[in-house]
Amino acid sequence: KAGVTQTPRYLIKTRGQQVTLSCSPISGHRSVSWYQQTPGQGLQFLFEYFSETQRNKGNFPGRFSGRQFSNSRSEMNVSTLELGDSALYLCASSSDRGPSTDTQYFGPGTRLTVL
Amino acid sequence: AQSVTQPDIHITVSEGASLELRCNYSYGATPYLFWYVQSPGQGLQLLLKYFSGDTLVQGIKGFEAEFKRSQSSFNLRKPSVHWSDAAEYFCAVAAKAAGNKLTFGGGTRVLVKP
Repeated sequence: KAGVTQTPRYLIKTRGQQVTLSCSPISGHRSVSWYQQTPGQGLQFLFEYFSETQRNKGNFPGRFSGRQFSNSRSEMNVSTLELGDSALYLCASSSDRGPSTDTQYFGPGTRLTVL
Repeated sequence: AQSVTQPDIHITVSEGASLELRCNYSYGATPYLFWYVQSPGQGLQLLLKYFSGDTLVQGIKGFEAEFKRSQSSFNLRKPSVHWSDAAEYFCAVAAKAAGNKLTFGGGTRVLVKP
């Protein structure tokens, strides 16, 4: 099976712009989660989508949003970019067959640099 | 809310020596526990996980971890380290019935001396 794929792998934006990142989960996986990784804050949970519905949300401002499509692919959007949004954004998928917490498999990440 | 502590930020080991990475968690009940490894510029690869049952868990690449409820710990071990084990290691916890939200420790960077 192909793993989790994320596009693009690298992105450079300027402050105030918005950005959309894409994640394709492992075939058959219905849950997609997003994480932000920075040197200062480490790995932090952004949100989780399951069957096109947001099931969990971390402590990030409303500028961070996401969605999931019927084929389980997911996108996350960051509006009005700030310098502090520079990070590695990781997507993870799980089959979610139960129990309600299942093993998550991570993609390679999208490296976002905000100038 | 759950939390995870990895007390060691950096560890340097000689190739062939044993390795132990510490992980302590805070959670009211028995959580789901994971160890992931991240090589530079890469995503996270799952090494092993503990959901229930045998408290000694075997993973990939020769790693194992032991869940100790009394100490709220889930330490990772490898008997003999290879140069390719140089990477950053993350312990993570998920609460049962709370969806797939992982809380990560700060990570331990492992350097391997020849």
